[in-house]
Amino acid sequence: DAKTTQPPSMDCAEGRAANLPCNHSTISGNEYVYWYRQIHSQGPQYIIHGLKNNETNEMASLIITEDRKSSTLILPHATLRDTAVYYCIVRPVYSSASKIIFGSGTRLSIRP
Amino acid sequence: DTAVSQTPKYLVTQMGNDKSIKCEQNLGHDTMYWYKQDSKKFLKIMFSYNNKELIINETVPNRFSPKSPDKAHLNLHINSLELGDSAVYFCASSRPETSGLNYEQYFGPGTRLTVT
Repeated sequence: DAKTTQPPSMDCAEGRAANLPCNHSTISGNEYVYWYRQIHSQGPQYIIHGLKNNETNEMASLIITEDRKSSTLILPHATLRDTAVYYCIVRPVYSSASKIIFGSGTRLSIRP
Repeated sequence: DTAVSQTPKYLVTQMGNDKSIKCEQNLGHDTMYWYKQDSKKFLKIMFSYNNKELIINETVPNRFSPKSPDKAHLNLHINSLELGDSAVYFCASSRPETSGLNYEQYFGPGTRLTVT
């Protein structure tokens, strides 16, 4: 049972920043926020994760609110290849059972 | 330099048959998983193995039997295939969890199983 809420779809112009929101109001202090994406007909791809500080890597930035109840994934310069379903996931930092529970995600369409 | 590979990519078979899907990872990970993505695109965990030992079994029918000959391989064998088994099956792997920490998972390209 997914513990996150995401808009079902969004679109963004190529070259602009894509900002994907996620609500996780019941997140606990020992749970990460993870983002994955699934490009059509491919396996899910890890993007980024964070606990409470903002994070940045070569793919994206993750902004987590101070109360940790929501976050935003930012793709700084979206390209057509970023068209995918984006999943926001909450996972325990420590767990003996490390399954990922996927929700329905946000379908991001990048328009030329 | 494929990290997680699966074979075959497509599998079409008839009801009642037995089939296997193979998964291999060259990342040196100790933990491997099988996920199922149904026609509505929901991804669900099926199994997880840590260093060849089963640690998650999400009430999957016992017609599904994962086999891990070594920590780089986790194969999925399915007996008596049913129409409802049609789906895309993804294998994944992650770093060792001996400390209990969760790490990101790396997924294979998927195997599309069609049962007719």
